[in-house]
Amino acid sequence: GIQVEQSPPDLILQEGANSTLRCNFSDSVNNLQWFHQNPWGQLINLFYIPSGTKQNGRLSATTVATERYSLLYISSSQTTDSGVYFCAVEPDYKLSFGAGTTVTVRA
Amino acid sequence: EAGVAQSPRYKIIEKRQSVAFWCNPISGHATLYWYQQILGQGPKLLIQFQNNGVVDDSQLPKDRFSAERLKGVDSTLKIQPAKLEDSAVYLCASSLSREGRDEQFFGPGTRLTVL
Repeated sequence: GIQVEQSPPDLILQEGANSTLRCNFSDSVNNLQWFHQNPWGQLINLFYIPSGTKQNGRLSATTVATERYSLLYISSSQTTDSGVYFCAVEPDYKLSFGAGTTVTVRA
Repeated sequence: EAGVAQSPRYKIIEKRQSVAFWCNPISGHATLYWYQQILGQGPKLLIQFQNNGVVDDSQLPKDRFSAERLKGVDSTLKIQPAKLEDSAVYLCASSLSREGRDEQFFGPGTRLTVL
């Protein structure tokens, strides 16, 4: 099956800092989504981005499908940004998740 | 628009007991998914329904897990008998269709502890 690798596995930020999370995948995909899993376990949709660039407030994402990677940018981080960020790809009608990046934002 | 609903939110059972989880997808969504998320890992697909038919159940441990989606709306996932390794969060998700380009939306999950 498809391999999804996320880096870094853990990230500690000071409030106000910027960061970049990366997702590499091993095969072509029809769909790519970024999620934020909050401390209560809820998966929050951030971006549906099989290709191109999107922005939503302080978050933005870029997927370069031909090179099989996606980036999630967090700017001016806040403590509420803490949690696990998952990249998930869909090569064949089902999502395959990476292991996630755990982000901790300190006040 | 209401999101994906799941119940119960938490369940604690003894091993060898049975348990059932319920999911109500977003209205109008044809495709429903059940995922298992073990602590420290990403979610893993167990079963996918298109309307009331099974599309993919290749990762479902069929000796103990079963799922149904009667009338193409609500779904239940059952475990019988439960094992210690079934302790996980069970997530339900839905999407508008099965075209492979639709965004999936997740419910809050059911956290299962098997003692």
